[in-house]
Amino acid sequence: QVQLVQSGAEVKNPGASVKVSCKASGYTFTSYYIHWVRQAPGQGLEWMGIINPSGGTRLYAEKLQDRVTMTSDTSTSTVYMDLNNLRSEDTAIYYCARGPKNTPSLRWLDPWGQGTLVTVSS
Amino acid sequence: QSVLTQPPSVSAAPGQKVTISCSGSSSNIENNYVSWFQQFPGTAPKLLIYDNDQRPSGIPDRFSGSKSGTSATLGITGLQTGDEADYYCGTWDNSLSAGAFGGGTKLTVL
Repeated sequence: QVQLVQSGAEVKNPGASVKVSCKASGYTFTSYYIHWVRQAPGQGLEWMGIINPSGGTRLYAEKLQDRVTMTSDTSTSTVYMDLNNLRSEDTAIYYCARGPKNTPSLRWLDPWGQGTLVTVSS
Repeated sequence: QSVLTQPPSVSAAPGQKVTISCSGSSSNIENNYVSWFQQFPGTAPKLLIYDNDQRPSGIPDRFSGSKSGTSATLGITGLQTGDEADYYCGTWDNSLSAGAFGGGTKLTVL
């Protein structure tokens, strides 16, 4: 079945970096975009960015543009989200989700990964 | 603040119908498809409606979506206690070149 499996929880100090992975299975990895969405405790969903796993398109939310990098490894069907210079307000659950290709959109996001809790605390 | 506006909460009795609105603008909802997601506490969001009004396989026809102009609506009929969850609308914003979600609506089935 189509599945996205994310890496485990992380605890980081302020100013550090975190790299979250999202491994895809059950479909052709390069045929769909991957979105990253985060959710701070008790808050709503925040769109972070999108990557074309086969290369090319990468778009990031403006507020994160200077701190986030999304990459992909087609040999392992894995997408990575790197966030640097972490702050307490980056504490959140980070989700990856598969989305349509051809053009960036939120026509649908399915499935979602199980989420990765990143805690930023000194 | 969210680009898309949803009511923070809605409530209705079991068996009744409820609608959740999602208000946007010409740069997002009016010119892009809308999706809806259901999220239970401690779990990842789940796709409920795609392409404004389409249901993925396995989603009951009690759930419906519609769009008109700069607004979209999620409808749920025959409410069940198991429908208590947070609901989010999502779409693309052409001006921001970014995805956008509503702030979420908590549904309570009284």
